[in-house]
Amino acid sequence: DVQLVETGGGLMQPGGSLRLSCAASGFIVSSTNMIWVRQAPAKGLEWVSIFYSGGSTYYADSVKGRFTISTDNSNNTLYLQMNSLRAEDTAVYYCARELRFFAVGKSYYMDVWGKGTTVTVSS
Amino acid sequence: QSVLTQPPSASGTPGQRVTISCSGSSSNIGSNTVSWYQHLPGTAPKLLIYTNNQRPSGVPDRFSGSKSGTSASLAISGLRSEDEADYYCAAWDDSLKGWVFGGGTKVTVL
Repeated sequence: DVQLVETGGGLMQPGGSLRLSCAASGFIVSSTNMIWVRQAPAKGLEWVSIFYSGGSTYYADSVKGRFTISTDNSNNTLYLQMNSLRAEDTAVYYCARELRFFAVGKSYYMDVWGKGTTVTVSS
Repeated sequence: QSVLTQPPSASGTPGQRVTISCSGSSSNIGSNTVSWYQHLPGTAPKLLIYTNNQRPSGVPDRFSGSKSGTSASLAISGLRSEDEADYYCAAWDDSLKGWVFGGGTKVTVL
């Protein structure tokens, strides 16, 4: 069964660091594109970062230079290292598998999501 | 302020048809396909529609999607109480080199 489980959330002070984990089962994390998406309280979904199967990474401007996305093939896990945390980083963080097909134009979508882990940044 | 624009709410009585719009631009919806997600608080978002109008296995045919130019829409026909949730449209943005989402539409079954 294909599944994603996020862990690592918690209460942090502004300026602190936290590492989120996303454990995958049923597929190989390094063989597909993986993304992080977050949802701040009473807000919609916001894309955070993408890790391409080839190793390239991209970030939303709001986290660029502070967050780092990576994978560990030995334990089939996606990570998000979050540094210099701000109050506006408070959110539920979701990981998801992204699929891309080019049969008829470009077809991109996220087919598997985790249930999320909550990060609260507050003094 | 979300890059894709959705109405914040929609509602209908059981059995009715509800439509949710999603407006974007040439760099996202105009260039790439749209997907739709159903989300209940505390749960994993669920893929509802991909490639504008395709349903994953297990999604009822009451859900349908369409796209025209830089806009897309999701329709729910035969509305049921279990359809109460937040619905998000999403597309890849070639200029931002990242995913953009709508602000979400909360569907209420009256």
